[in-house]
Amino acid sequence: EVQLVESGGGLVQPGGSLRLSCAASGFTFSSYAMGWVRQAPGKGLEWVSLISGGATTTHYADSVKGRFTVSRDNSRNTVYLQMNSLRAEDTAVYYCVKQINYYGAGSHHDFWGQGTMVTVSS
Amino acid sequence: EIVLTQSPGTLSLSPGERATLSCRASQSVSSSYLAWYQQRPGQAPRLLIYDASSRATGIPDRFSGSGSGTDFTLTIGRLAPEDSAVYYCQHYGSSPPYTFGQGTKLEIK
Repeated sequence: EVQLVESGGGLVQPGGSLRLSCAASGFTFSSYAMGWVRQAPGKGLEWVSLISGGATTTHYADSVKGRFTVSRDNSRNTVYLQMNSLRAEDTAVYYCVKQINYYGAGSHHDFWGQGTMVTVSS
Repeated sequence: EIVLTQSPGTLSLSPGERATLSCRASQSVSSSYLAWYQQRPGQAPRLLIYDASSRATGIPDRFSGSGSGTDFTLTIGRLAPEDSAVYYCQHYGSSPPYTFGQGTKLEIK
């Protein structure tokens, strides 16, 4: 059974940093691209980032480019999202998602974690 | 970047009826790379349909997807109370960003 468990969310001041983690199990982690999707309170879904199975390729939404960094440790079956220079508009539930192929191109999200809440406020 | 527009914003139907949800893209979606997700209140989204018309594992055949190019439809037959949710479409092309529509809220009266 595929499981994705996010952690690391919390309250942070504007301009601060936070690192989210997503521990994966139930599949061959290094064979699949992984990603992050967020949802602001009461709002819709926003695609955030994607990393290939071997971590050689990464992609970001324009709204987070230059501030967020996605990475993965295939030995720990974990994907990370390092979030710097946080803004109030980054407040959201952050979901970890599994892609259906190695590079993530042409790939939907077949499994989702339960999400971790990030609140950016002073 | 492809923009997805979903309609209607809210749909209110009775159990047993059929729901038709629309997703229109600002430009043609390559290879029908379009998915539908269901998000029940307080839950994470889950995959319903991918590649415009393929049902995900474990999804009842009451759910069906159709369309190509710029116009896509999610049809839910014989509505049940547990179908109350927000439904999102998403485009996933050969290269990100993978944009979502704004969602359609389905209420079962």
